[in-house]
Amino acid sequence: KQEVTQIPAALSVPEGENLVLNCSFTDSAIYNLQWFRQDPGKGLTSLLLIQSSQREQTSGRLNASLDKSSGRSTLYIAASQPGDSATYLCAVRVNSGGYQKVTFGIGTKLQVIP
Amino acid sequence: SQTIHQWPATLVQPVGSPLSLECTVEGTSNPNLYWYRQAAGRGLQLLFYSVGIGQISSEVPQNLSASRPQDRQFILSSKKLLLSDSGFYLCAWRGGGSNQPQHFGDGTRLSIL
Repeated sequence: KQEVTQIPAALSVPEGENLVLNCSFTDSAIYNLQWFRQDPGKGLTSLLLIQSSQREQTSGRLNASLDKSSGRSTLYIAASQPGDSATYLCAVRVNSGGYQKVTFGIGTKLQVIP
Repeated sequence: SQTIHQWPATLVQPVGSPLSLECTVEGTSNPNLYWYRQAAGRGLQLLFYSVGIGQISSEVPQNLSASRPQDRQFILSSKKLLLSDSGFYLCAWRGGGSNQPQHFGDGTRLSIL
């Protein structure tokens, strides 16, 4: 059974700092890994998707890496801004009983202090 | 571009009442559709998914059901709500293929009294 862990559970940083969010998973036979952000009371917004054959993906100030063999992914946020404050979730997609199943972590709650 | 609409945004219902949450997707055809529930301090729990009209798979046995009457419409229902059905319900869609990202609606906050 796939388990996804995100550390830390919460993080508070001053504006302008670079930061790294961590995601680990137990079953390395994944199709892909997706990072989302969730604002309070809202749905999930897709940030980056990394295919199993890829090592990293970049979008603006965000860079996500994937080390499938060690079951780890990181989300790097450069020059953090107060608008980055949200909960960040990672999700891995694996084959399960003939269909693809997605398992989510609980998330890291990020607060960027002005 | 593709969009996903989910309503209502919030709902307060008494125990034992029926439920109907609706989700529609625009700008794509034959999407994979999903219903999740998110409880505080817990990860998203997949409730139902659908790969086509009338094709529904259930992940968790419960008093909820789902239907897909049209290609881009996904409905979550219950005949009699329980207190434990309270939570944040999210609809999502994904295109075909292994490496398509999942996209979510804005969610419905359901409170059972």
